Amino acid sequence: DTEVTQTPKHLVMGMTNKKSLKCEQHMGHRAMYWYKQKAKKPPELMFVYSYEKLSINESVPSRFSPECPNSSLLNLHLHALQPEDSALYLCASSQGPGGGTTIYFGEGSWLTVV
Amino acid sequence: GQQVMQIPQYQHVQEGEDFTTYCNSSTTLSNIQWYKQRPGGHPVFLIQLVKSGEVKKQKRLTFQFGEAKKNSSLHITATQTTDVGTYFCAGQEGTYKYIFGTGTRLKVLA
Repeated sequence: DTEVTQTPKHLVMGMTNKKSLKCEQHMGHRAMYWYKQKAKKPPELMFVYSYEKLSINESVPSRFSPECPNSSLLNLHLHALQPEDSALYLCASSQGPGGGTTIYFGEGSWLTVV
Repeated sequence: GQQVMQIPQYQHVQEGEDFTTYCNSSTTLSNIQWYKQRPGGHPVFLIQLVKSGEVKKQKRLTFQFGEAKKNSSLHITATQTTDVGTYFCAGQEGTYKYIFGTGTRLKVLA
């Protein structure tokens, strides 16, 4: 069982919709991540938050908007997505600077854009 | 930027046979991690290697980090059907950024 919880597990949205993916961890980790994974491909880093501040944005299109309301929560707001954005979106966390670097993944949110 | 390649891309083995996947980085790595992702699942951390030439074992799994810290391998002895999945290595680039390898998908035939 993963200690990183993601909702929803499945999401189908139209190209004009606005939706959000949510992620929560209660391990006291200070770094949280969003990864995107296409079928048969490795996870690709999208965003990293460290101590609730955006630390890394891997040149992700602005139709993806991350938010970190507090140290336990991470959201990914979705707007005007394209069909090629359909993928598994993985949230993850790690202890943060000075701590372990093990990345704990959630079960993911399967997104289909129609 | 850093690239991490894995070979083979796919491997089908008979249950009981051994399996090895190799991970090669274009740059020297400070450490390397290995993850397993079951079909339809999420990546799960297996191990981290830090020292040059390091070898670690977890039951039937043996992990090695190359002397030059640019390559690594995962060897599974006597595979079981529960070993099915995709195995990823991941090399660290910066504090938070891990570059995942291309992955090796393992199928075990009973």
